[in-house]
Amino acid sequence: AQSVTQPDIHITVSEGASLELRCNYSYGATPYLFWYVQSPGQGLQLLLKYFSGDTLVQGIKGFEAEFKRSQSSFNLRKPSVHWSDAAEYFCAVGTGFGNEKLTFGTGTRLTIIP
Amino acid sequence: ETGVTQSPTHLIKTRGQQVTLRCSSQSGHNTVSWYQQALGQGPQFIFQYYREEENGRGNFPPRFSGLQFPNYSSELNVNALELDDSALYLCASSSLGNTEAFFGQGTRLTVV
Repeated sequence: AQSVTQPDIHITVSEGASLELRCNYSYGATPYLFWYVQSPGQGLQLLLKYFSGDTLVQGIKGFEAEFKRSQSSFNLRKPSVHWSDAAEYFCAVGTGFGNEKLTFGTGTRLTIIP
Repeated sequence: ETGVTQSPTHLIKTRGQQVTLRCSSQSGHNTVSWYQQALGQGPQFIFQYYREEENGRGNFPPRFSGLQFPNYSSELNVNALELDDSALYLCASSSLGNTEAFFGQGTRLTVV
């Protein structure tokens, strides 16, 4: 069975600083990997996804993620965070055709300080 | 806005009662998945419906059931509610084989 680990429960960064959120997955085959963002009381918005090909993927809002098969990781990065990036971030792995039956990590809460 | 709408937004139920949550999927999507997100946790897959048939189920008891209608909208029914059923219930719609699922805003269920 697949699983996702997000080791950091809560991260605080200063506005304008760089950001990296960690994600490790366990899955026997080639994974379909996703990062979602959730603002308080809201649903999930897809930031980016990896299916195959280039291991560095670009997403919305200036986010990018790098797939490293050897480390079973799919870390999310942003070079300069904005106060509006404060939210909960979830890494997920999909099976089957990709987006169905997603298995999510427990999330990382991002706080931005001025 | 994803085009996926869920109703109601919030509701409160008493332990032992039954509840029905509704999801209207995005136009053109034929697949609906339901997730339960407990406070402080990531969403957990409940089940998925494709063309009105259940197409996969997570580790949830049979008192969690669903329906998908010909217009691809969906319902999640939970019988004999327990306090631990309190959570945000998320619906996601997609086209089978497509690479992206679109989530609704969720229904916050509180069981007292």
